[in-house]
Amino acid sequence: DGGITQSPKYLFRKEGQNVTLSCEQNLNHDAMYWYRQDPGQGLRLIYYSQIVNDFQKGDIAEGYSVSREKKESFPLTVTSAQKNPTAFYLCASGDRRYNSPLHFGNGTRLTVT
Amino acid sequence: GESVGLHLPTLSVQEGDNSIINCAYSNSASDYFIWYKQESGKGPQFIIDIRSNMDKRQGQRVTVLLNKTVKHLSLQIAATQPGDSAVYFCAENTGDSWGKLQFGAGTQVVVTP
Repeated sequence: DGGITQSPKYLFRKEGQNVTLSCEQNLNHDAMYWYRQDPGQGLRLIYYSQIVNDFQKGDIAEGYSVSREKKESFPLTVTSAQKNPTAFYLCASGDRRYNSPLHFGNGTRLTVT
Repeated sequence: GESVGLHLPTLSVQEGDNSIINCAYSNSASDYFIWYKQESGKGPQFIIDIRSNMDKRQGQRVTVLLNKTVKHLSLQIAATQPGDSAVYFCAENTGDSWGKLQFGAGTQVVVTP
């Protein structure tokens, strides 16, 4: 069935290492988003892409990078420059043509020690 | 910057009663509002949305009310059930780019038997 798949669900890394989070969607949505969620807080936008080969910074892009080579995929790299990388990362997609609400994946919980 | 906020961080409600979750927003340019439900360890799940040209919208057991005069949004859940226990977020699209949502901090709803 259609949806957004984020993998892995849990990820552990040592400080100083880059790590890439996967996000795949089969909803045929043009737009994809990455949000970060910290305990007891709302979601904050990291990066978004409204079309293949194009993406823009969100509110907290520092220390992160993305690519959008395929419509279905929007991987997020958490670099060693990100000061507080431990968080719950959520990927979303949406169809701008119909102004539909964003659909979210079930997230990746990243722990950096 | 302007952001979405919530009045109550935790709401306890008895099973069968109605729940009301409130949300204040400050960006008068926002044209689209969404309520999401998030269960522990999962991504946000769409509940209901409303556009700025409406003041009320009903779904199955849920109603969203929008008061643009005082910049207030509420979610009403009728006959609250144990499965409604979750964190509820309101989000607004500020209009500068479709899909860029600003989220409130969330309200934890606890349904007691």
